[in-house]
Amino acid sequence: EDQVTQSPEALRLQEGESSSLNCSYTVSGLRGLFWYRQDPGKGPEFLFTLYSAGEEKEKERLKATLTKKESFLHITAPKPEDSATYLCAVRGFGNEKLTFGTGTRLTIIP
Amino acid sequence: EAQVTQNPRYLITVTGKKLTVTCSQNMNHEYMSWYRQDPGLGLRQIYYSMNVEVTDKGDVPEGYKVSRKEKRNFPLILESPSPNQTSLYFCASSHGSGSYEQYFGPGTRLTVT
Repeated sequence: EDQVTQSPEALRLQEGESSSLNCSYTVSGLRGLFWYRQDPGKGPEFLFTLYSAGEEKEKERLKATLTKKESFLHITAPKPEDSATYLCAVRGFGNEKLTFGTGTRLTIIP
Repeated sequence: EAQVTQNPRYLITVTGKKLTVTCSQNMNHEYMSWYRQDPGLGLRQIYYSMNVEVTDKGDVPEGYKVSRKEKRNFPLILESPSPNQTSLYFCASSHGSGSYEQYFGPGTRLTVT
């Protein structure tokens, strides 16, 4: 059974203070690891898909990386508008379901 | 605009009164799915559909029904809602299951009293 664990549960940063969010996963053959952003009361918004260890993707102040056991979402010089819950999800081979972690709630203080 | 729509967005109902939450997508996606989101439990899949007339159970299907008669629509049916089905519900769609990312609707907040 696919499993995803995200840490920390919550993170408070000062504006401009860079940090990383962790997503540890177990899956029998990775078809894709997905990062989403979710604002309160809204649907998750797709950010990145990573397929294989060593892969990296960037979007504005966000950079996602992948190893065989975990993924990191690095946030560089964050702004208050980056405050949101960040969700990680995986899909393994032979599994049509997407398994989500419980998310990291990120707060950027001006 | 490419989007997934859900209706209603908010619903308060009573135990046992049948209800349907509609979901529609305009991206010609084959794969559609329903999730519920509860504090501390994250997003859990209820049902998914690989294509028209093809549906299967997710992790928490008890108390729910779905149908996929048209490619664009995937309604969620609660035949006899109970208070433990009070939750935030999301519909999502993607081109396929595989490595394709899913696009989510805005959510339906359901309260069953």
